[in-house]
Amino acid sequence: SQTIHQWPATLVQPVGSPLSLECTVEGTSNPNLYWYRQAAGRGLQLLFYSVGIGQISSEVPQNLSASRPQDRQFILSSKKLLLSDSGFYLCAWSGFPPLANYGYTFGSGTRLTVV
Amino acid sequence: AQKVTQAQTEISVVEKEDVTLDCVYETRDTTYYLFWYKQPPSGELVFLIRRNSFDEQNEISGRYSWNFQKSTSSFNFTITASQVVDSAVYFCALSSNNAGNMLTFGGGTRLMVKP
Repeated sequence: SQTIHQWPATLVQPVGSPLSLECTVEGTSNPNLYWYRQAAGRGLQLLFYSVGIGQISSEVPQNLSASRPQDRQFILSSKKLLLSDSGFYLCAWSGFPPLANYGYTFGSGTRLTVV
Repeated sequence: AQKVTQAQTEISVVEKEDVTLDCVYETRDTTYYLFWYKQPPSGELVFLIRRNSFDEQNEISGRYSWNFQKSTSSFNFTITASQVVDSAVYFCALSSNNAGNMLTFGGGTRLMVKP
């Protein structure tokens, strides 16, 4: 069965420090991968999505970047964190075509607090 | 562009009451998919249902039921005999192949069920 792993679960980082959040998927190949962010009390905003290794699409301009060095690995990074980067980050995957399975599977999330 | 609107930001009910969460969507695509997710306080997103645009049959799963009406672009979610464990944020979401297969989320509805 397919599983998605996301870590760390919580993170407290000072302003100006770098960030690296990792997400891996098991049990499937060539998944579509997504990073979403949820600010406190707000909805979910798509940040990046990837349809293959090295292929990254950005939905919003921001202080963050994403990379997909391997088929089932998706990394969210920042060189210098801002206070506004605080939030709950969720990684998700879907099959290709994306709707061949029941939908999208989400990781357990990373709660990032920038201080 | 796709859009999902959940007009109710917060709903409070007493246990055993029925409650309906509204969802209205916008899309130019003729083939699309609608989803409901539950986000408990722990933060993870729990898949509840996926509905195809060409299948307007309503669905019931235990105490949960969904009413899909293409004529009004709505996909409402009803919880019958609500329980305290139903307390969570509920998200409606939309996806289509022509929109890059990305999930567009509504702003979410926070449901509080009081004993």
